Formats: sequence, C-alpha cells, structure tokens
Amino acid sequence: GDSVTQMEGPVTLSEEAFLTINCTYTATGYPSLFWYVQYPGEGLQLLLKATKADDKGSNKGFEATYRKETTSFHLEKGSVQVSDSAVYFCALSGWNAGNNRKLIWGLGTSLAVNP
Amino acid sequence: NAGVTQTPKFQVLKTGQSMTLQCAQDMNHNSMYWYRQDPGMGLRLIYYSASEGTTDKGEVPNGYNVSRLNKREFSLRLESAAPSQTSVYFCASRDTDSARTDTQYFGPGTRLTVL
Repeated sequence: GDSVTQMEGPVTLSEEAFLTINCTYTATGYPSLFWYVQYPGEGLQLLLKATKADDKGSNKGFEATYRKETTSFHLEKGSVQVSDSAVYFCALSGWNAGNNRKLIWGLGTSLAVNP
Repeated sequence: NAGVTQTPKFQVLKTGQSMTLQCAQDMNHNSMYWYRQDPGMGLRLIYYSASEGTTDKGEVPNGYNVSRLNKREFSLRLESAAPSQTSVYFCASRDTDSARTDTQYFGPGTRLTVL
C-alpha cells in the first residue's frame, strides 16, 4: 500500500530561523499531497496541498513543492515565529492495503520555536 | 457554519464502562471518519463512512462500533472501555465534490481516559 515518511522530531528552532520538515512518499498513480498542522490542544487543520507534480502549495508563509522525481513534499518556511509551534503532518491521498482511497498519514513532526 | 463538532471534549471512564462519542458536520460532506491519536503513533483510522448508510473498518476497529445516523452525524461507541483505548479521538469529514480535493476537516477532538 501507499505510505508517507516524515522526519522525526522534535525540531527546536529560534525565532526567524529557516524551517525544513522532510516528507517522502510511496504511492501508485498520482496522489494529492497535503500538510496539516495541529496547534496545542486543537484538531488538525489543512495547511497547504498540491494535487499534481511540480505544483507548489503555500499558506501562511509555508511552502511545499510536489516533486514526483524524488517522491517528496518537503515543508519550508523562511522565518519561523513562536506561533508556528505545533505538530505538522504530511499526508497523501492514495490507496490503502484494502484498495480503498484514503488519506495516508505520516507520524507527525513536532516543532518548537523559541523566542 | 460550525464545521465539525464533537462532544464531549473530555471524558474519564472506568474499565468496562460504555460511552458514545458524537460527531456532526454542517458542510454537507458525504464522507466521515473517526481517528485516534496516540503519542508516537500518528493518526490511525478506526472507522469511516463513505456515505450515509455505509460504514467500513479502518486500521484499528477492534473494540469500537460506529453509526452513521444521517448525513450530518457519525457516532463512535465503546461498548466496554479498556485502558488501551485511552487516547484523543478525532472526527473528520471530507469534501468529495472533486476527486482531486480530498481535503479532510477535523473536529477539536475528545480526550478520553480509561482507568
């Protein structure tokens, strides 16, 4: 079945540092790719998405480019803020082992930004 | 437009007790999901409902039952709670207007402790 692998955390950065969270995937066909964010004590919310190769998703200063040649969808932000402290999940819309269409989730990467 | 709502927000049960987690969405989505989130395990799908009147097992269905009461509501029942079911439970619904959209919208979660 399809799968998502994202870098383990926790990631700790100082304010205004550059952020990269790596995400690679294995999938059949042409999945859509997503980054979701979970702020402390809240549910997940969509941060950005890309539906085809070479698409760039962007939102709130975050960006990720759908790279089919490297099967990657790395999340980047040029200057993080304390308010970006959260858990970030990479996901793809693909097929699970039961041949049903599903969101396949990475394990999440915790980010802490210090002032 | 409240999105996805879940009740209760917090619950403490004793082993063997039963309870039902409620979920409702007002976005007219066909698909709804129940996940559990545990430290280091990411999100795991318990059950899902592709449309009103249908339900299917996810990765970790044992110990749970679900009911898709109507298009808006999707409940999760624990018949005999066990400490291993201590977790945060999230309900989600999915926009299926476009096959390429696949965006899921999450509720705020229910934090369940089984003693």
